[in-house]
Amino acid sequence: GDSVTQMEGPVTLSEEAFLTINCTYTATGYPSLFWYVQYPGEGLQLLLKATKADDKGSNKGFEATYRKETTSFHLEKGSVQVSDSAVYFCALSDGGSYIPTFGRGTSLIVHP
Amino acid sequence: NAGVTQTPKFRVLKTGQSMTLLCAQDMNHEYMYWYRQDPGMGLRLIHYSVGEGTTAKGEVPDGYNVSRLKKQNFLLGLESAAPSQTSVYFCASSYRTGAVNSPLHFGNGTRLTVT
Repeated sequence: GDSVTQMEGPVTLSEEAFLTINCTYTATGYPSLFWYVQYPGEGLQLLLKATKADDKGSNKGFEATYRKETTSFHLEKGSVQVSDSAVYFCALSDGGSYIPTFGRGTSLIVHP
Repeated sequence: NAGVTQTPKFRVLKTGQSMTLLCAQDMNHEYMYWYRQDPGMGLRLIHYSVGEGTTAKGEVPDGYNVSRLKKQNFLLGLESAAPSQTSVYFCASSYRTGAVNSPLHFGNGTRLTVT
């Protein structure tokens, strides 16, 4: 079946540091890939998405590129802010299933 | 546009009590999901629905029941609450999985404590 693996957290950074959160996946079909963000006390919300190989999703300074050859969708940001502190979830949707597959989430803590 | 609305936001139950969590969406989405989120466990799917009048079991369905009598509403019931059901419950909806414009839309959660 489908699966998503994210790096373990928490990831702790200082403000303005470079961020990478690794995400790899296995899928039987050709999935769409997503990053969601969950701020404290809130539900998940879509951060960015990509639907085919080499597509780059971007939003709020975050980027991720759909790499079919390495089955990866790593999340990056060049300069994090304290307000980026949240839990980030990588996910995929495969057209052959009604059920999206989520990673376990990676907590990001940004210190001033 | 309210999106996905969950009620109540907080609830404390005693072991053996029952309750219903309500999820309402105003986006005309076909698919709806109930998840629970526990520390270190990520999101676990309880039940889901692919349309009005249909429901299906997810990864952790035991102790829960659901109903989708109207397209916009998805109810999650706990018949006899247990301390193991202490969790944060999230409802989500989507137009159709697998399509680029069909990410999940989540509510803000219901925090349930069972004593």
